[in-house]
Amino acid sequence: KNEVEQSPQNLTAQEGEFITINCSYSVGISALHWLQQHPGGGIVSLFMLSSGKKKHGRLIATINIQEKHSSLHITASHPRDSAVYICAVRGIQGAQKLVFGQGTRLTINP
Amino acid sequence: DTEVTQTPKHLVMGMTNKKSLKCEQHMGHRAMYWYKQKAKKPPELMFVYSYEKLSINESVPSRFSPECPNSSLLNLHLHALQPEDSALYLCASSQALAGVETQYFGPGTRLLVL
Repeated sequence: KNEVEQSPQNLTAQEGEFITINCSYSVGISALHWLQQHPGGGIVSLFMLSSGKKKHGRLIATINIQEKHSSLHITASHPRDSAVYICAVRGIQGAQKLVFGQGTRLTINP
Repeated sequence: DTEVTQTPKHLVMGMTNKKSLKCEQHMGHRAMYWYKQKAKKPPELMFVYSYEKLSINESVPSRFSPECPNSSLLNLHLHALQPEDSALYLCASSQALAGVETQYFGPGTRLLVL
C-alpha cells in the first residue's frame, strides 16, 4: 500500500461542476502539498497545508490531521483546470523529501 | 523573481553522448532538488542539495552526476544514458531542506535517449 493514496485516479466532469479530489496518507506529516501539472508541463504548487483550510480563487484545500486526510475542491470548474493534481506529504522531524501520491487526472469538458 | 528556470526545454541524445541539464533560481533558496518523471507517474526524487552540499542521493546510477556550483545553480551531467532514462527531468528549490516550506518547481527538461 502506498503511503499516499489519491482518489479518484481519473475524473471527467462538465464545465461548472464542483470538483473534489481526495488524499489519504498513512504516516505522520509536517505538511501536505497540493500540486498541479498540465500535460507536458512543469509542476505548480497550489497549496501547502499543515492544518485547517486554505482558499485561493476557486480552489479550496482542507486537511484533517486526525483522520490523515486532505481534500482539494474546485468550484465552478473550467476546461483550463484540466490537469493532473498531485498530493505530496513531508514527514515529521525534519524529513528531507516529499512522498507523492499517484495523481488524479482531471478533465473538464466545455 | 519567484521562478525556477531549466534549460534546455527539450534534449535528444544518443547513448554515447555527454550532455548537461541546467537549473537556476534567484530566490535565495538553499535546497535544490532533481526529480525524474516518467509518463503518467508522479515525480521520483533523484538528488537533494542543501547549502551546496549533496544531502540525498536516491541510489541513482552513476551515469547521472549532479553538481551544485553555487547557491543559485544546479546541474545534472548525463553520460552513457540508456533509452529507459528518457523522461521529464524536473528541478525544484525550497527555502530550507527541512521544515514546512513550499517547493518551487521548474518547467522541466524533456529528455529523449536514442
